Amino acid sequence: EADIYQTPRYLVIGTGKKITLECSQTMGHDKMYWYQQDPGMELHLIHYSYGVNSTEKGDLSSESTVSRIRTEHFPLTLESARPSHTSQYLCASSESTGSHNEQFFGPGTRLTVL
Amino acid sequence: KNQVEQSPQSLIILEGKNCTLQCNYTVSPFSNLRWYKQDTGRGPVSLTIMTFSENTKSNGRYTATLDADTKQSSLHITASQLSDSASYICVVSDRGSTLGRLYFGRGTQLTVWP
Repeated sequence: EADIYQTPRYLVIGTGKKITLECSQTMGHDKMYWYQQDPGMELHLIHYSYGVNSTEKGDLSSESTVSRIRTEHFPLTLESARPSHTSQYLCASSESTGSHNEQFFGPGTRLTVL
Repeated sequence: KNQVEQSPQSLIILEGKNCTLQCNYTVSPFSNLRWYKQDTGRGPVSLTIMTFSENTKSNGRYTATLDADTKQSSLHITASQLSDSASYICVVSDRGSTLGRLYFGRGTQLTVWP
């Protein structure tokens, strides 16, 4: 089982609140990713990082921001949550080389914005 | 456009029966293809991986096939169990970027009834 963790697992908040979704991994992976997934739909890449101090936007435009100050942490922040942000957010990590770029996923955070 | 299409969208089978899930992709240049299992409310977990030169790979009761010429893959599950109920996602990786971008299908939702 992958050593990648996400907190909280479930979050219900009101519109306008600031939230931070935590993601941490203990595998020493350089690359980390955030995906957004709606029910019955494919995963969409919203942010990724090649390593410390590296952050890039993914394919799906997102109002969230990320930071990568430490290798093991890759938190995602929403400054002002809206109902349209309701979704499941999955964090993943992978090695820089080898392993056919296998990405290991965390359990996800189910976010509901009222 | 790089895409991954899966069929059927959902499938219900009785415990002990076999089933086959399909995946067609247009990702190029191709690196590898994975099948992931995603339990409800959890992150995806890799079942199998196949590169261009491999046409079959087994993992217990799961057997994946790959036809790189027709860009098709299948996942065969034998002697299904209740715990096989999950979404099965076909994921194709390209080798055209340093990120090793992943392209996700929408998944096949499998339900195994007793």
